[in-house]
Amino acid sequence: GAVVSQHPSRVICKSGTSVKIECRSLDFQATTMFWYRQFPKKSLMLMATSNEGSKATYEQGVEKDKFLINHASLTLSTLTVTSAHPEDSSFYICSARGGGLAGSEQYFGPGTRLTVT
Amino acid sequence: GQNIDQPTEMTATEGAIVQINCTYQTSGFNGLFWYQQHAGEAPTFLSYNVLDGLEEKGRFSSFLSRSKGYSYLLLKELQMKDSASYLCAVRDLGRGSTLGRLYFGRGTQLTVWP
Repeated sequence: GAVVSQHPSRVICKSGTSVKIECRSLDFQATTMFWYRQFPKKSLMLMATSNEGSKATYEQGVEKDKFLINHASLTLSTLTVTSAHPEDSSFYICSARGGGLAGSEQYFGPGTRLTVT
Repeated sequence: GQNIDQPTEMTATEGAIVQINCTYQTSGFNGLFWYQQHAGEAPTFLSYNVLDGLEEKGRFSSFLSRSKGYSYLLLKELQMKDSASYLCAVRDLGRGSTLGRLYFGRGTQLTVWP
């Protein structure tokens, strides 16, 4: 299957600082990338969807000024958590999908565990 | 919105067969996915159904009935390593979106006992 990488895998930051998480598709061109967050023992919650070169579409209740998403190329998307607070501590997972919809699988990165102190 | 419902927990013994059900309601159905997720890790793809019927992949099979809004994941010859959360997800093209977002159920935590 396709490979999606995320960096860093774990990050601890102080309240008020910003953190950038990178998501890369390693062996295919990801026309669409998705960012999810997951709290312990809860399901994945979609935060935003982005197409390469376009502005991200955010889900209701997700602050676009706080969670900045950039999808500048077909293999890289970044999520920046600005002015992080302890309640932003969570498991952030990116997912990538190639062109077209029919039969196209969605591959997940290994996730980034963010802890804000 | 999407209503995706699956049991919270299930238990089974090694070597047994277990069926995890998932029901959904969506306006623009474009496929149903099953993922496996071990604690602290990202989900891994198991299966994809877009047409009615059964898809078999080794010990895992997935079934879909679009008219009933129903799917199940069947795990055979259970092994201890199959203990994980199993996530049902629906791709929805509703509300004019062409991005085909994936919506997840809460997941079913399966525990396999020796």
